[in-house]
Amino acid sequence: EAGVAQSPRYKIIEKRQSVAFWCNPISGHATLYWYQQILGQGPKLLIQFQNNGVVDDSQLPKDRFSAERLKGVDSTLKIQPAKLEDSAVYLCASSLEWGQTNTEAFFGQGTRLTVV
Amino acid sequence: KQEVTQIPAALSVPEGENLVLNCSFTDSAIYNLQWFRQDPGKGLTSLLLIQSSQREQTSGRLNASLDKSSGRSTLYIAASQPGDSATYLCAVRGNYGQNFVFGPGTRLSVLP
Repeated sequence: EAGVAQSPRYKIIEKRQSVAFWCNPISGHATLYWYQQILGQGPKLLIQFQNNGVVDDSQLPKDRFSAERLKGVDSTLKIQPAKLEDSAVYLCASSLEWGQTNTEAFFGQGTRLTVV
Repeated sequence: KQEVTQIPAALSVPEGENLVLNCSFTDSAIYNLQWFRQDPGKGLTSLLLIQSSQREQTSGRLNASLDKSSGRSTLYIAASQPGDSATYLCAVRGNYGQNFVFGPGTRLSVLP
């Protein structure tokens, strides 16, 4: 079974530039999450999708961050414009739809973003 | 609002020791709890998932327990090896399709 795929693995941009991250979840997983992990901290949820609908985006800085999940499969997270404090690892995860017996979450390798 | 803490923040032990990592959460209305391992520069690898109705789960040298009423989970690692060196994170999920709330992690070093 293929895991969660993310790209790119690394990205370095200057502040005020824009950047986009891509995630392909495990096949059949209806729920998709984007997390931000700052060095030395646990991951923090940015947005949660159920199929192509947003379940929770309460911690997403909507003035600069946006995310979409077209057709309920792949997802893209965008930052525009980037700030220095956005330097972090961006993790994508997926799980079966809420209500299923096993909703174990599986994570991708992450994208390490450095804003200079 | 759910808050998750992990103690200790860092741990260094000699190879062969048995060790316990602790996870505490403030809201006992959880759906499940999951333990993850994270190697430097890598994503998270799922270790064990405990449903709220379960008391423990085992996988190889790992055993995770859950006490919902006291808001605690422990991860027991038997006969630790240098390859166990990593950061261990616990995450809890609420009862209403909520996302996973993570603790800050415990950074484990197992010395040969």
